[in-house]
Parts: sequence; C-alpha cells; structure tokens
Amino acid sequence: SQQGEEDPQALSIQEGENATMNCSYKTSINNLQWYRQNSGRGLVHLILIRSNEREKHSGRLRVTLDTSKKSSSLLITASRAADTASYFCATGMNSGYSTLTFGKGTMLLVSP
Amino acid sequence: GAVVSQHPSRVICKSGTSVKIECRSLDFQATTMFWYRQFPKQSLMLMATSNEGSKATYEQGVEKDKFLINHASLTLSTLTVTSAHPEDSSFYICSVPNRRDTEAFFGQGTRLTVV
Repeated sequence: SQQGEEDPQALSIQEGENATMNCSYKTSINNLQWYRQNSGRGLVHLILIRSNEREKHSGRLRVTLDTSKKSSSLLITASRAADTASYFCATGMNSGYSTLTFGKGTMLLVSP
Repeated sequence: GAVVSQHPSRVICKSGTSVKIECRSLDFQATTMFWYRQFPKQSLMLMATSNEGSKATYEQGVEKDKFLINHASLTLSTLTVTSAHPEDSSFYICSVPNRRDTEAFFGQGTRLTVV
C-alpha cells in the first residue's frame, strides 16, 4: 500500500520562483527519500534524509523532515524549466534504504 | 554513466503473448533487485523482490504465475509478463540497491502496451 501522500498533486510556477512540495506518511520510518521522474522515464535519486535528521541541503534542494508530524518537504529554489518533472517521496522501511514505498507524486511545471 | 540498464524501453505486444523485461546491474553485483509498476499519472507500486538463486518475494495482490521473475545471475533479473492482457499495460521499472543498501538505482523503465 502507498505510504506517502504528496501535495500539491500539481504545481505550476515561473522560472526563478521557488517550488515547495510536501509529503506525509503514516508509519514509522528509517529514512525518507525524494526522487525525480521525467515524463515516461526512470527515477533519479535526489536526496535522502534519515529519521534522526531534520534538514538537509543539496545544491538548490532543501529537504526537511518532521517525524512528529510524519511529514517532509522538498524545496527547490530558483527553479528552472529543466526542473519540470514529477517528484516523489519514498519512505524506507526496516534497516535498509532500498525497499521503498512511494507517495503519489507532485507534477511540477516550470514555465520559462 | 548508467548503473542499471533496463531493456526494452518500450514494447507493444498482442493479448495472450508473453513479454520479457531485463534489468541489468552494470556496476556491481546484486543479490536483490526490485520490480515496480507504475500506472499513468500514479505512483510506483512495488511488485516483487527478486532474489538471486531463490524464489522472488511478491507483494500482496501480485500474481506470481503471471509475473514471472528470474534472478539467474548477480547482475541480471528478468520479469516476464505471461499471457498479457490490456490491463497489464503499464510502466515497469526495476531498481538495484547498492552493496551497503544505502541507495537504490533505478532502470529507465519499460513502457508495455498490450493490444
């Protein structure tokens, strides 16, 4: 069954603006990961945050995790048209990082 | 370069035929690989865990006789959709965990269309 619920389901912004996507989950997790998927393609791993971490940065990406609220957010700053894609959060169960349960995803459209 | 190679990227087949999808780990050996299915505008759903040298572990609701998984070597897992029907049309993606199970690498996916 699906674990994560992203919102919004779709987000449309202009280049240069920031994009924020949220993810909520239901059960305890070991880690939470964000992935990007271009239309009809495979997934690209963006960032992983462990359950004992609250915030993580990678380039223009900023991820937060609030385990008390069972939620995470992904912020993409200074967005570019090339950021147009679907973004999924995925929670890792047990002690591993690769057995993943995916959320429904947010479709981001960045217009030039 | 790519860590995981999935082939074919796109296949169209007739109802009743079988289709084989390959997932190859290019950079490291993998005793475990994962197969996911994704319907249009939906998320990825884990179908099964492919185990090298033993039977695959299927998620609830996934028919093991319909989705045959073979993990014959440490670098190759295959998913065969048997007696395909139009409702099997979907995007199938494999993933391979690294040795320390700290990251999963995904194939480019296979778009299956059953007509």
